Amino acid sequence: AQTVTQSQPEMSVQEAETVTLSCTYDTSENNYYLFWYKQPPSRQMILVIRQEAYKQQNATENRFSVNFQKAAKSFSLKISDSQLGDTAMYFCAFSARSGGGADGLTFGKGTHLIIQP
Amino acid sequence: DSGVTQTPKHLITATGQRVSLRCSPRSGDLSVYWYQQSLDQGLQFLIQYYNGEERAKGNILERFSAQQFPDLHSELNLSSLELGDSALYFCASSVGTMNYEQYFGPGTRLTVT
Repeated sequence: AQTVTQSQPEMSVQEAETVTLSCTYDTSENNYYLFWYKQPPSRQMILVIRQEAYKQQNATENRFSVNFQKAAKSFSLKISDSQLGDTAMYFCAFSARSGGGADGLTFGKGTHLIIQP
Repeated sequence: DSGVTQTPKHLITATGQRVSLRCSPRSGDLSVYWYQQSLDQGLQFLIQYYNGEERAKGNILERFSAQQFPDLHSELNLSSLELGDSALYFCASSVGTMNYEQYFGPGTRLTVT
């Protein structure tokens, strides 16, 4: 079984600052995916960024980037130039890869990120 | 808008009752996943269907069941409801072969009184 740990229950930063959210995971799988999802007050789950374990290059999506350290089983999310609309719960998620595609996601408990004006 | 639809948005029912939640995946997606989000348990994977067949099971109670129909929509059936079943139930979909991204619907808020 896999576990995902997010050690920061809540973080608060000023608008335009850079913030890094931490995530560690534990698995015996060698082939897997990692994701960050955002859940704003509307409760909608929004995919922010993904990383394939076999890729060494860190994924980037506009202001969002990850630092993937496979040996350390660490997968942090960096948000640059933070905006008020980034205020949300952020969930780190793990999925093993198998013949039929991805399995169900294992989520961390989430980090509540607050962007202050 | 993810393209995944869920109905109803809200559901209030009494203990002991049975409800059915419906999900329509994005066009072209073959896999449907069900998740439960509660204050106690966080976000938990319940079950996955791929092209009509059960593919993987997570922490799904025996009182809960699901199915995926030929048109690929899915239903999650919850029976003998308890207060602790109150939660937000999400459906997600993915293409299910080499495309592994899961896109979530808006959820169904279930309140058991």
